[in-house]
Amino acid sequence: GENVEQHPSTLSVQEGDSAVIKCTYSDSASNYFPWYKQELGKRPQLIIDIRSNVGEKKDQRIAVTLNKTAKHFSLHITETQPEDSAVYFCAALSPNTGNQFYFGTGTSLTVIP
Amino acid sequence: GAGVSQSPSNKVTEKGKDVELRCDPISGHTALYWYRQSLGQGLEFLIYFQGNSAPDKSGLPSDRFSAERTGGSVSTLTIQRTQQEDSAVYLCASSLRGGTSGGGTQYFGPGTRLLVL
Repeated sequence: GENVEQHPSTLSVQEGDSAVIKCTYSDSASNYFPWYKQELGKRPQLIIDIRSNVGEKKDQRIAVTLNKTAKHFSLHITETQPEDSAVYFCAALSPNTGNQFYFGTGTSLTVIP
Repeated sequence: GAGVSQSPSNKVTEKGKDVELRCDPISGHTALYWYRQSLGQGLEFLIYFQGNSAPDKSGLPSDRFSAERTGGSVSTLTIQRTQQEDSAVYLCASSLRGGTSGGGTQYFGPGTRLLVL
């Protein structure tokens, strides 16, 4: 089945700096890659997603890039703010696994004011 | 409804007892997922329902875990003879459509925090 690895597990950045979180996947057929943000004690919420027919997607301060050849996708947050502090999860969906979303283990991001 | 709801929000039980967790998906969503999240860990897939089709149970960790979805809407996750390692947050998510038919956006419920003493 699919295997998703996420790095780093923890990340601290100064307010205003950029943060990058990277995920790799194993199944080359995976075609949908969402990113979720989970604040402490709250439910995960989708912040951005990308499908395999595009290489980059941007939404204000967040962007996701996908490299299908290398089988990795990354979340980029620019001009970080303290409210960006949370745990971020990547996930991958493959036709080979039908219905299962495989999640990374999460990155705890701390933005230092 | 306005979003995915789950009940109870917290559950404390004794080892060996059975527990039942409930999920109300967003109205009209055909896909429903159950996940388990241990403290500080990622999301572990448990089971997936798509409409009235037979569920994908491939993620259930043992035969003590089972789930039902009645009428293609409300779902219950049952854990029999609970063990301490079952302690976790159990999250439910629904999406308008599921699987690879476009990878529908999942909306998560607030979770049920289960503690097995």
